[in-house]
Amino acid sequence: NAGVTQTPKFQVLKTGQSMTLQCAQDMNHEYMSWYRQDPGMGLRLIHYSVGAGITDQGEVPNGYNVSRSTTEDFPLRLLSAAPSQTSVYFCASSGGRVNTEAFFGQGTRLTVV
Amino acid sequence: DQQVKQNSPSLSVQEGRISILNCDYTNSMFDYFLWYKKYPAEGPTFLISISSIKDKNEDGRFTVFLNKSAKHLSLHIVPSQPGDSAVYFCAASAGNDMRFGAGTRLTVKP
Repeated sequence: NAGVTQTPKFQVLKTGQSMTLQCAQDMNHEYMSWYRQDPGMGLRLIHYSVGAGITDQGEVPNGYNVSRSTTEDFPLRLLSAAPSQTSVYFCASSGGRVNTEAFFGQGTRLTVV
Repeated sequence: DQQVKQNSPSLSVQEGRISILNCDYTNSMFDYFLWYKKYPAEGPTFLISISSIKDKNEDGRFTVFLNKSAKHLSLHIVPSQPGDSAVYFCAASAGNDMRFGAGTRLTVKP
C-alpha cells in the first residue's frame, strides 16, 4: 500500500546543477501535482497534470519542468538549480479534480548551495 | 500575494477542550475549501473539506464552518486530543488552482 512515493528524501545540489525529483503513485489517480513548501509561505503549486500527456503551470512554475508520460509517474526537473529553489518539495495525487482529497508523498528536502 | 491567510502561527489548547483554527481568503472565485494536517517529516494528510454551497461540514470530532460573506472559514476540533498536535493548513481551490495558507501549529497539552 505505497500511495505516493517520492525520491530522493534529501538532496544537496550546487548552483547550476540539474536534477529530477521522482514521484510515483499506485492509486491510478488522474490528477498529480507538485508543491514547494517554504517557511511562512505554506505550500505553493508548481505544476500539475490532469492526465497522461497533459501538464500545466501552477503558481510558481519558473525554473521547473514536468512531463507525464504515464498515469503513475510525474517527475519534476530542475533545469539549473538556484539557491532560491532550496525548499521542501511535495508531490500529490488525487482521484478527481484538484479540489478532491489529495494524497501527498513524504517530501524531498532540497538544498542548493 | 497570499490569497489564503492563516493569521495565527500557533495555538495551544488543553486536552478535552475545543480547538478553533481560522483561515481567511481574498479570492471570491474559490469554490472549494480543504483542511490538511501535517506531522513533522511527513506529507500533509487530508482532514475535511467543504463546498462553497454549504456553510458547515462535520466529520467526527472535526467540523468546518464557511462564512462566504466574510471570506472566512474555521476548523473546530472537539474534544482536542494530544495526537491532534500538528500543523494545520487550510487550502482553497478554483478550477485547477489550489492555494494554501501558511499553516497553524496546534499543540494540545495533556
